[in-house]
Amino acid sequence: DADVTQTPRNRITKTGKRIMLECSQTKGHDRMYWYRQDPGLGLRLIYYSFDVKDINKGEISDGYSVSRQAQAKFSLSLESAIPNQTALYFCATSDSTGRNIQYFGAGTRLSVL
Amino acid sequence: GEDVEQSLFLSVREGDSSVINCTYTDSSSTYLYWYKQEPGAGLQLLTYIFSNMDMKQDQRLTVLLNKKDKHLSLRIADTQTGDSAIYFCAENPSYQKVTFGTGTKLQVIP
Repeated sequence: DADVTQTPRNRITKTGKRIMLECSQTKGHDRMYWYRQDPGLGLRLIYYSFDVKDINKGEISDGYSVSRQAQAKFSLSLESAIPNQTALYFCATSDSTGRNIQYFGAGTRLSVL
Repeated sequence: GEDVEQSLFLSVREGDSSVINCTYTDSSSTYLYWYKQEPGAGLQLLTYIFSNMDMKQDQRLTVLLNKKDKHLSLRIADTQTGDSAIYFCAENPSYQKVTFGTGTKLQVIP
């Protein structure tokens, strides 16, 4: 089983709908992250959390919200999806050592029509 | 800003060496990383280098770091078709996060 699991793997939704992307991890890491990947733009950080009571905005948090339900679970919500949120979304974890190595899930491909 | 820049595309013949270049912005980054993304998968750490090193070698991979120019490179010797992927350079400007580059798509021609 994967250490970082994202569900769903693919999702098609319509403009204005609320959707939730889920992430769970078995690595025992405190830190969790949500990124989006767009061609030519690389990965951009949406939100990150260093423990259950810690939530921080990344560089592109507008239009998104997150919930850290437990150490192992971190979900990303789009309250009212819009077409320019069509992208590949990744969840990642890291431990608290100085190296900050990130471990990624397989991604969720989201299309907003 | 915290822009990590890479060229978008590189094409090499199987058996040749590949060199992927990256320019980062934050001289205080303690670690610099190379991640590999295969089709349909998430990123996986390929290697990393501590900022007080100039070079790191790991089998077919050689990482070179030029701190003065804020330049990082990844050389893959004897490139194979299985090396076809997107390669991301990344830096950690603070303990809180890692900043990724735009990614370089490596195409290996048989």
